[in-house]
Amino acid sequence: DTEVTQTPKHLVMGMTNKKSLKCEQHMGHRAMYWYKQKAKKPPELMFVYSYEKLSINESVPSRFSPECPNSSLLNLHLHALQPEDSALYLCASSHTQGDYGYTFGSGTRLTVV
Amino acid sequence: KNQVEQSPQSLIILEGKNCTLQCNYTVSPFSNLRWYKQDTGRGPVSLTIMTFSENTKSNGRYTATLDADTKQSSLHITASQLSDSASYICVVTTGGFKTIFGAGTRLFVKA
Repeated sequence: DTEVTQTPKHLVMGMTNKKSLKCEQHMGHRAMYWYKQKAKKPPELMFVYSYEKLSINESVPSRFSPECPNSSLLNLHLHALQPEDSALYLCASSHTQGDYGYTFGSGTRLTVV
Repeated sequence: KNQVEQSPQSLIILEGKNCTLQCNYTVSPFSNLRWYKQDTGRGPVSLTIMTFSENTKSNGRYTATLDADTKQSSLHITASQLSDSASYICVVTTGGFKTIFGAGTRLFVKA
């Protein structure tokens, strides 16, 4: 298995909802990442997990809460989001943090209404 | 300041033609440079990865070059196809594990 799988592919949520994005990989990668990408912009790093521990938090608002239950799973819990949080959320993984190549998932298209 | 700049911002070419995309970076210390292809609404897919000592790397019709002295990279696409229409992103990683994304070049291949 050489893929990073993200679910759901699309999500529409209200500003008072609580939802979660899920990311899964079975390549034995020990670093996992969450990125946010707005239209026609490059991805922006949100969080990095290394060996299931939070390594980097790029000053992301607390309405985004990451979780790494095990080495294969990465979740992003969403609560009280704003319409400007609508974006493509990308998960990626690599053998270790700073390793040469990331493998990206296909992303979750999030719309906050 | 670590920066990655790509040019052109967008490019339109006819199917079957070749094109070259540019990436200039001011990143130190340099670890590696990657080119990704991203279709609209999808995740980026890796095309090439180059370290300091590599000058050229090919992946099918895609050939990337790296000049570590001038801190420039290019991605050459040969015999373009309609499916090459996408954004191409240059990504540079520093020795401190920081990853800097370029803004991308949007390529449109027309029949």
